[in-house]
Amino acid sequence: DGGITQSPKYLFRKEGQNVTLSCEQNLNHDAMYWYRQDPGQGLRLIYYSQIVNDFQKGDIAEGYSVSREKKESFPLTVTSAQKNPTAFYLCASSRQGDIISPLHFGNGTRLTVT
Amino acid sequence: QKEVEQNSGPLSVPEGAIASLNCTYSDRGSQSFFWYRQYSGKSPELIMSIYSNGDKEDGRFTAQLNKASQYVSLLIRDSQPSDSATYLCAVKSPGNKLVFGAGTILRVKS
Repeated sequence: DGGITQSPKYLFRKEGQNVTLSCEQNLNHDAMYWYRQDPGQGLRLIYYSQIVNDFQKGDIAEGYSVSREKKESFPLTVTSAQKNPTAFYLCASSRQGDIISPLHFGNGTRLTVT
Repeated sequence: QKEVEQNSGPLSVPEGAIASLNCTYSDRGSQSFFWYRQYSGKSPELIMSIYSNGDKEDGRFTAQLNKASQYVSLLIRDSQPSDSATYLCAVKSPGNKLVFGAGTILRVKS
């Protein structure tokens, strides 16, 4: 079955440490996205990539970094520069250039930084 | 002004009633509109998508779009307790970026 896999489901880190969240998809989608969700709030776009080896900042990119070396993979690194990293992180993908293509989401990673 | 606005709720309806969820957006160039349902602690799942003015029906769900008023809504007929969740409105801009509203909490009481 095609889908998006995020790992781990729960992640705990000490303040000051960088941490990388994994996202893999086998839907053959060109576009991939990272969103952050805080309690009681909607999804805010961190980074997105429309093609391999290219990515753009979203609305809240500060303190985060990404890479897109393979079509299937779009890992997100939460750096120590991110002021409030504790949140629910969602990875998504869609067909590129298709305005009607919805986003398909992974199951999310809940990051807690203490 | 937020790009996509929703009433945060909670919206409470009795079981069997119609739930009406509303969403407005600011970018007139927006072309695609989506409703996602999100249960607590889970990822969003697609409920409906709509691209043309008018109504689109799928089972108990009807999406309505009015581009002139920059308004999109979701009607849930015969609401069930299992429909209790947060409903997210999402709008896709010409740049292929999907912007989400903050979501409306729906509670269906049995």
